[in-house]
Amino acid sequence: DAGVIQSPRHEVTEMGQEVTLRCKPISGHNSLFWYRQTMMRGLELLIYFNNNVPIDDSGMPEDRFSAKMPNASFSTLKIQPSEPRDSAVYFCASSPSGTTGELFFGEGSRLTVL
Amino acid sequence: KQEVTQIPAALSVPEGENLVLNCSFTDSAIYNLQWFRQDPGKGLTSLLLIQSSQREQTSGRLNASLDKSSGRSTLYIAASQPGDSATYLCAVYSGGGADGLTFGKGTHLIIQP
Repeated sequence: DAGVIQSPRHEVTEMGQEVTLRCKPISGHNSLFWYRQTMMRGLELLIYFNNNVPIDDSGMPEDRFSAKMPNASFSTLKIQPSEPRDSAVYFCASSPSGTTGELFFGEGSRLTVL
Repeated sequence: KQEVTQIPAALSVPEGENLVLNCSFTDSAIYNLQWFRQDPGKGLTSLLLIQSSQREQTSGRLNASLDKSSGRSTLYIAASQPGDSATYLCAVYSGGGADGLTFGKGTHLIIQP
């Protein structure tokens, strides 16, 4: 299996632009997570899907952030408009057994907002 | 609210030494604990998952122990190698959905050749 696939790996954009990050989970996994990692705050959960349904989005910082999972093999995280404080590494992870099982992470999307 | 602490934040040891990384958590009512490895510019790779009913798990040169009552876990690395250099994170699952998974900030390990 190819593992969790994220794109783009790196994104540099200007403040105010729309950013879309993409994730393909491992086939057969029923849970998908979006995390954000910064030096100051470590790993923060943004949103969690189970069977393509958003279960918990309480970690989404504000209305500028939105996430979708239109099918079992694809999810997007969108930031519109982007701000410099959104600069971070965004990780997607999937799990075969919800929140109690082993997590498999993608390699992340490093976002820089100028 | 669960808090996970990893001390030290950074550690440098000569190749060949056995070493122990520490993880402590404030609420002992946990379902499981995972140890992850993160290489620079990469995602997290799960190393070991210990269920709350277990005391330890082993994989190759790695051994993770769990003492729920004292709120501690250790990751033991035997005969360290330069390839073990990475950041090691522990994560504790306390239930209640995905936000019940709490990560420590990690220990940055350097193995000197």
